[in-house]
Amino acid sequence: EIVMTQSPATLSVSPGERATLSCRASQSVSSNLAWYQQKPGQAPRLLIFGASTRATGIPARFSGSGSGTEFTLTINSLQSEDFAVYYCQQFNNWRTFGQGTKVEIK
Amino acid sequence: QVQLQESGPGLVKPSETLSLTCTVSGDSIRDYYWSWIRQPPGKRLEWIGYISYSGSINYNPSLTSRVTISVDTSKNQFSLKLRSVTAADTAVYYCARDWGTIDFWGPGTLVTVSS
Repeated sequence: EIVMTQSPATLSVSPGERATLSCRASQSVSSNLAWYQQKPGQAPRLLIFGASTRATGIPARFSGSGSGTEFTLTINSLQSEDFAVYYCQQFNNWRTFGQGTKVEIK
Repeated sequence: QVQLQESGPGLVKPSETLSLTCTVSGDSIRDYYWSWIRQPPGKRLEWIGYISYSGSINYNPSLTSRVTISVDTSKNQFSLKLRSVTAADTAVYYCARDWGTIDFWGPGTLVTVSS
């Protein structure tokens, strides 16, 4: 099983600032990685697929990068609606998710 | 717009079988793979397995001995059965459209395992 590890567990950021979230795979997943946003009581929402392609309707302030085992989700100029939990997910071998990073208001 | 909706009992007794159905609208179940994913309270998402209309199936190796996923193309539905449940199977269960990336999710349904 490919283990996905996200850091940090919690990120405190002020509105308007940049958030940088990390995701590491225990073995290479190539670019077979997606990022999701989840708010309390809601299903996850797809943000990024193929490590760096924004899903339909996702604002340009969200960007993804990386390949192999190291990935980054960057949220520029955080808006109030961006405070949520973010998960990475690999689909190179079955599907596994990271434990999540909570982005909270500083 | 693709929509998915989970349905089934919200309470299951220990050792019994959890059964859920997902109804898909706005897309044919003949396309893509269709997954079940769960999230125990306060924990990370866990992929359970996926199925295609042709019957191609893959399960999470940690659950494969207890899981069955099936598809009913005439109803545009797919289903989950999880046998011999314990309290550890208490979770919000999601159905979703899967092409590796999981792009459309149902709202989720909480299933509690308790006597």
